[in-house]
Amino acid sequence: GDSVTQMEGPVTLSEEAFLTINCTYTATGYPSLFWYVQYPGEGLQLLLKATKADDKGSNKGFEATYRKETTSFHLEKGSVQVSDSAVYFCALTQGAQKLVFGQGTRLTINP
Amino acid sequence: GAVVSQHPSWVICKSGTSVKIECRSLDFQATTMFWYRQFPKQSLMLMATSNEGSKATYEQGVEKDKFLINHASLTLSTLTVTSAHPEDSSFYICSAREAREVQPQHFGDGTRLSIL
Repeated sequence: GDSVTQMEGPVTLSEEAFLTINCTYTATGYPSLFWYVQYPGEGLQLLLKATKADDKGSNKGFEATYRKETTSFHLEKGSVQVSDSAVYFCALTQGAQKLVFGQGTRLTINP
Repeated sequence: GAVVSQHPSWVICKSGTSVKIECRSLDFQATTMFWYRQFPKQSLMLMATSNEGSKATYEQGVEKDKFLINHASLTLSTLTVTSAHPEDSSFYICSAREAREVQPQHFGDGTRLSIL
């Protein structure tokens, strides 16, 4: 079945550092890809998405590009802030089917 | 837009009682709602998918009689944990998908359930 693999955390960075969280997927067909963010004690918020190959999703300084050739959707941000500390989930879905989540990556940004 | 409200956000109750959690789409119609369970520091585990006006589809290993799901309208789904026990303590999160688009899912803020 379809699956999503994220880099293991936790990830700890200093403020203004460059962030990359790796995400690769295995899927039949052509899935849509998502990054969700979960702040402590809260549900998930959609951060960005891409629905076809070479699409770039972006939001709040975060970016991710749908790479079909490497089956990847890595999350990047050029300069992180303390407020970016959260758990990040990569996910995919095929059409109207359920979301398949990665295991999540906990990110901590130190001032 | 696309706000999902989940209530209550936190509940503590005695073992053996039943607990109902509500999930509402506030500004859109949700033909499909999803219920997840999340253990500490783990990913979300899909429990069931509910479609308005029909029975929920449960994932393998999820007890239907234990976790009752009702999706009676396009804006409300409920999860009832029946005869709850300490092992049911967890963080439960719902999500909803708009009728006019296939994706993405919009998530509620979750309910922390603690069974004493």
